[in-house]
Amino acid sequence: DTEVTQTPKHLVMGMTNKKSLKCEQHMGHRAMYWYKQKAKKPPELMFVYSYEKLSINESVPSRFSPECPNSSLLNLHLHALQPEDSALYLCASSSPGYSYYGYTFGSGTRLTVV
Amino acid sequence: AQKITQTQPGMFVQEKEAVTLDCTYDTSDPSYGLFWYKQPSSGEMIFLIYQGSYDQQNATEGRYSLNFQKARKSANLVISASQLGDSAMYFCAMREGITGNTPLVFGKGTRLSVIA
Repeated sequence: DTEVTQTPKHLVMGMTNKKSLKCEQHMGHRAMYWYKQKAKKPPELMFVYSYEKLSINESVPSRFSPECPNSSLLNLHLHALQPEDSALYLCASSSPGYSYYGYTFGSGTRLTVV
Repeated sequence: AQKITQTQPGMFVQEKEAVTLDCTYDTSDPSYGLFWYKQPSSGEMIFLIYQGSYDQQNATEGRYSLNFQKARKSANLVISASQLGDSAMYFCAMREGITGNTPLVFGKGTRLSVIA
């Protein structure tokens, strides 16, 4: 299995809702990432988990709450989002060792906040 | 400071022609990796090609080749024999260091349009 699976593919939520994005991989990768991508812009790093521990938080607002319950699963919990948080959210994984093809991306979740 | 620079917001190429997408980078780390990804309108990031900073030869993967000029800090992507399906956004990205748990940093991207 050489995939990163993200669910749901599309999500529409109100500003008072709580929702979660899910990312799963079974490649044995021990580093996982959340990126946010606005339209016509490059992906911007949000969080990095290495060996299930949060190693990088790029000053993301607390309405985004990541969680890595095990080595295969990465969640992004969303609460009280703003319309400007509407974007494509990409999950990626990699092997922490020296690896060149190590970064695998999911197909993303398109989030719309209304 | 911007680490990855892609100066071509958009490019057009005739079908079956070759096209070069430019990428320059900046790092003080002697160990780094350079990547090119293709992103169609569906949103998925598709890995195309990789070049390590210590690799002596330019990377090639099928119709994709990477023109790596280390002294100039450039890593241009060459797509030969363009196809209509090559129309997409192309991102150059870099990982500093040699460990695989360092995040990728992306350039702003180049939108390639292939014309029949």
